[in-house]
Amino acid sequence: DTEVTQTPKHLVMGMTNKKSLKCEQHMGHRAMYWYKQKAKKPPELMFVYSYEKLSINESVPSRFSPECPNSSLLNLHLHALQPEDSALYLCASSHRDRGSGELFFGEGSRLTVL
Amino acid sequence: DQQVKQNSPSLSVQEGRISILNCDYTNSMFDYFLWYKKYPAEGPTFLISISSIKDKNEDGRFTVFLNKSAKHLSLHIVPSQPGDSAVYFCAASDRTGTASKLTFGTGTRLQVTL
Repeated sequence: DTEVTQTPKHLVMGMTNKKSLKCEQHMGHRAMYWYKQKAKKPPELMFVYSYEKLSINESVPSRFSPECPNSSLLNLHLHALQPEDSALYLCASSHRDRGSGELFFGEGSRLTVL
Repeated sequence: DQQVKQNSPSLSVQEGRISILNCDYTNSMFDYFLWYKKYPAEGPTFLISISSIKDKNEDGRFTVFLNKSAKHLSLHIVPSQPGDSAVYFCAASDRTGTASKLTFGTGTRLQVTL
């Protein structure tokens, strides 16, 4: 099983809503990531969890709140978002201690904030 | 400050010919360089990587060359096939404990024509 599964694939929310994006992997990877990608731009790192602990927060606004309940799951809680937060949110995982530590990405959750 | 740059936003190549995608970087501390392929509405898919201590890595039709003195790497695809048409991202990895922090270039859209 070499998949990273993200749900939902599409999400539309208002600026006052609270929603969550979910990510799951069963590859035994101990590092998990959230990236944000805007149209025609490269993916930008938001958060890194290593062994279920938050190890990197790239100065992301507090309206984005990550959570890693266990080694297979990663959530991104969304609250009071702005229209400019509309983007493709990508989850990834890696087994850092092997090879180049390449990241395996999910298909992404496309978020639209109205 | 863009640490990883892909200066060609697009490239068109005839089927059967060689595709060469280029990438430049500024940070000497990167330990691995990776190439990802991305189709619309999907997450990036890992293609090939190279360690900073190597100058060439080959995998089937894909070869990556690294020139450390020039801080430049390139991906060669030969022969190019229509299914190779996608956006290609160069990425560079630096060690952050047990996680792999990737910095992506801006991408090159490859179109392989018949």
